[in-house]
Amino acid sequence: SQQGEEDPQALSIQEGENATMNCSYKTSINNLQWYRQNSGRGLVHLILIRSNEREKHSGRLRVTLDTSKKSSSLLITASRAADTASYFCATDSGAGSYQLTFGKGTKLSVIP
Amino acid sequence: DAGITQSPRHKVTETGTPVTLRCHQTENHRYMYWYRQDPGHGLRLIHYSYGVKDTDKGEVSDGYSVSRSKTEDFLLTLESATSSQTSVYFCAGGDTHRSGNTIYFGEGSWLTVV
Repeated sequence: SQQGEEDPQALSIQEGENATMNCSYKTSINNLQWYRQNSGRGLVHLILIRSNEREKHSGRLRVTLDTSKKSSSLLITASRAADTASYFCATDSGAGSYQLTFGKGTKLSVIP
Repeated sequence: DAGITQSPRHKVTETGTPVTLRCHQTENHRYMYWYRQDPGHGLRLIHYSYGVKDTDKGEVSDGYSVSRSKTEDFLLTLESATSSQTSVYFCAGGDTHRSGNTIYFGEGSWLTVV
């Protein structure tokens, strides 16, 4: 069963706007990751946040983690048409597990 | 990640036939994974390997087997293909580090069972 669930399932914004996607999960984790998937391609790792971190930045990406609420958010600032893709959160199951469980993804469309 | 290649990339097969998907990596990843991706289900783990000849089941392993005789290669076999196994299959590889367990994906194999 899915550990992470992204919200919303689909998001459509204008170029230049910010895009926010959310992920909720059920059990304790060591870290949470976000991946991106362009249509017809494999997933690509974007960013990892550890369970003892609250916020992390990478370029135009900002990730937050609230372990008390078992939730994370991914913010893409100043979106571009090239950001159009599906975005997935992935969690490990804790205890040093090397298995990642993925959510169903948020499909982001950035309109030029 | 160019370090992980899958073959075939596209295949159409008949119900009841065995099918083998191949994954080859050049990054010396210790861990390798097979996922399937279906609309409405996201990615689901089929099997994974934590070393040569060391494999274990994932969430949706029924009807699938795997083998890893070398670090570089991880094979997924559908023993007798069914229409419910029509899907996109992704191989991935990774290693555990103090900083986390990021995994790297191949480009996918599109399988249609008719």
